[in-house]
Amino acid sequence: RKEVEQDPGPFNVPEGATVAFNCTYSNSASQSFFWYRQDCRKEPKLLMSVYSSGNEDGRFTAQLNRASQYISLLIRDSKLSDSATYLCVVNEGASKIIFGSGTRLSIRP
Amino acid sequence: SQTIHQWPATLVQPVGSPLSLECTVEGTSNPNLYWYRQAAGRGLQLLFYSVGIGQISSEVPQNLSASRPQDRQFILSSKKLLLSDSGFYLCAWRGSLDTQYFGPGTRLTVL
Repeated sequence: RKEVEQDPGPFNVPEGATVAFNCTYSNSASQSFFWYRQDCRKEPKLLMSVYSSGNEDGRFTAQLNRASQYISLLIRDSKLSDSATYLCVVNEGASKIIFGSGTRLSIRP
Repeated sequence: SQTIHQWPATLVQPVGSPLSLECTVEGTSNPNLYWYRQAAGRGLQLLFYSVGIGQISSEVPQNLSASRPQDRQFILSSKKLLLSDSGFYLCAWRGSLDTQYFGPGTRLTVL
């Protein structure tokens, strides 16, 4: 089993739709969790941290389920500019940072 | 604010040639620094990390090496490139709360 698994997609949704991604991780001792966004041929950029209580940043909501070992990202009212690859990141310590392979999202007009 | 630089932005090298990629960080001292590689259509693979000058840890055995000659400088090297070394090389520093901030990357093609 991979340490961090994501559905590679692509997800192709119309503008204005709500879309959700999940990411599962294998190490129950993982310490912190993040979602990054990566545009084509660019570096990943931090989108948001994921907290046990769940957190929201505008149209984006992240959730962590430690019991089931998954994190999720919900994007509401999607925009064309949301088209990107979304990377799930699990931190098991200073030297053990695991990136998922990413989920590709394409928003169509 | 912190800034991370990488150069060159793109590089095309023949098999067997040497490699040197540089990463520098501004606006922070004694950062934890990381080198990642992303192969086409793949996830990021952690190659090396450093917690200070001269301190390098390698995550996977490979054809590459890293050095940290100064607090805010991190260098990735190879004596002889392989075809499989092609990829997108990203340097990152560790911010607060375990976040990672990436440089713009170097796209390496080995022919």
